[in-house]
Amino acid sequence: DAKTTQPPSMDCAEGRAANLPCNHSTISGNEYVYWYRQIHSQGPQYIIHGLKNNETNEMASLIITEDRKSSTLILPHATLRDTAVYYCIVRVGYSSSNTGKLIFGQGTTLQVKP
Amino acid sequence: DAGVIQSPRHEVTEMGQEVTLRCKPISGHDYLFWYRQTMMRGLELLIYFNNNVPIDDSGMPEDRFSAKMPNASFSTLKIQPSEPRDSAVYFCASSSNREIRGYTFGSGTRLTVV
Repeated sequence: DAKTTQPPSMDCAEGRAANLPCNHSTISGNEYVYWYRQIHSQGPQYIIHGLKNNETNEMASLIITEDRKSSTLILPHATLRDTAVYYCIVRVGYSSSNTGKLIFGQGTTLQVKP
Repeated sequence: DAGVIQSPRHEVTEMGQEVTLRCKPISGHDYLFWYRQTMMRGLELLIYFNNNVPIDDSGMPEDRFSAKMPNASFSTLKIQPSEPRDSAVYFCASSSNREIRGYTFGSGTRLTVV
């Protein structure tokens, strides 16, 4: 299975952009990159996903390099409520007939500071 | 939709006792996943079902663990006999191959075995 590598922790000032990097150098051509976050001990929550192109939604932006070996999650204006563990995941085996598997790594603990 | 519903939220039991965790997936989702989260090992995929059939149970740690899905709206994870090292937060998630946002997780069951 494709694996991801993330820094264990990062700090960000409130109101500033938080840029969370992820390496996934063994990703296959048809595998998606997903980002989830987990606030305190709640269940992981979907943020965004992408295949090749950059993506943006109401929560964040996802920048994927042209060779697809790495990506960056951007929270444009971080708030204290964005303090959480952020997981970068490659969705393995996903197709029109199979939901695939999400294998979580250790993630990045983002601390947003006032 | 009420989301993925897990019960109980907290469970404290004595070593050697049987423990049953319960999960109700989102209606229409045909995949169901059980994860375990500990500080040491992070989020581990234990087992997943498709259309009520177990597909991959390679993550189930020991024979003391068993999971069933008698119908599309209910699943159980049972530990018998329980041990202190089983203390963890257990998450249930559901999905379908039409669900491009990946999985929806429940709020988890925090199990403490004393």
